[in-house]
Amino acid sequence: DADVTQTPRNRITKTGKRIMLECSQTKGHDRMYWYRQDPGLGLRLIYYSFDVKDINKGEISDGYSVSRQAQAKFSLSLESAIPNQTALYFCATTSGYNEQFFGPGTRLTVL
Amino acid sequence: AQSVSQHNHHVILSEAASLELGCNYSYGGTVNLFWYVQYPGQHLQLLLKYFSGDPLVKGIKGFEAEFIKSKFSFNLRKPSVQWSDTAEYFCAVRRVGIRSNDYKLSFGAGTTVTVRA
Repeated sequence: DADVTQTPRNRITKTGKRIMLECSQTKGHDRMYWYRQDPGLGLRLIYYSFDVKDINKGEISDGYSVSRQAQAKFSLSLESAIPNQTALYFCATTSGYNEQFFGPGTRLTVL
Repeated sequence: AQSVSQHNHHVILSEAASLELGCNYSYGGTVNLFWYVQYPGQHLQLLLKYFSGDPLVKGIKGFEAEFIKSKFSFNLRKPSVQWSDTAEYFCAVRRVGIRSNDYKLSFGAGTTVTVRA
């Protein structure tokens, strides 16, 4: 849905480069999440944020950092990209105990 | 630690066949349960969810799932699949009542379903 947008949609980069993936939402949700998807592993949580001042590590946060610039924006950074960070990255949002709504994904390739 | 198991990695079936995808989780407390679908090249979309009440949940596109608490299972079913059901299906579980886990989902590895015309 256009309610959750991610940029860029595709990115090819080289080892050691700094990369930022951006997520914006118009749903007014307070909670935002970053996942990576790898074949056979499902989705794994990288970071999540309950509000602008509340950021938490997920199960695979090493090598990643995040910034919650506003309630509607949540960015994921790879400070020094490595090949095993090649994956499909999804942003998601929710409020309360409702289901999560996902963005269209960013396909990242690190050469 | 919370874990979610999906028994089948890849299921191939013909149109009009019945589909059942298994999902088990390891947490013994209260849970919320979800099935998401990812069509080729698209983002995850919610098929159905269970929070409480009737353990047989009906979702979109003719899918349903049954929560069996004693078996820690939430299997997804569809009586008659169509070619357009070709997709990857993810089971997800949220633990309820433990603040550090509130609002987080644990996903299974996914099941790829291929429906042949």
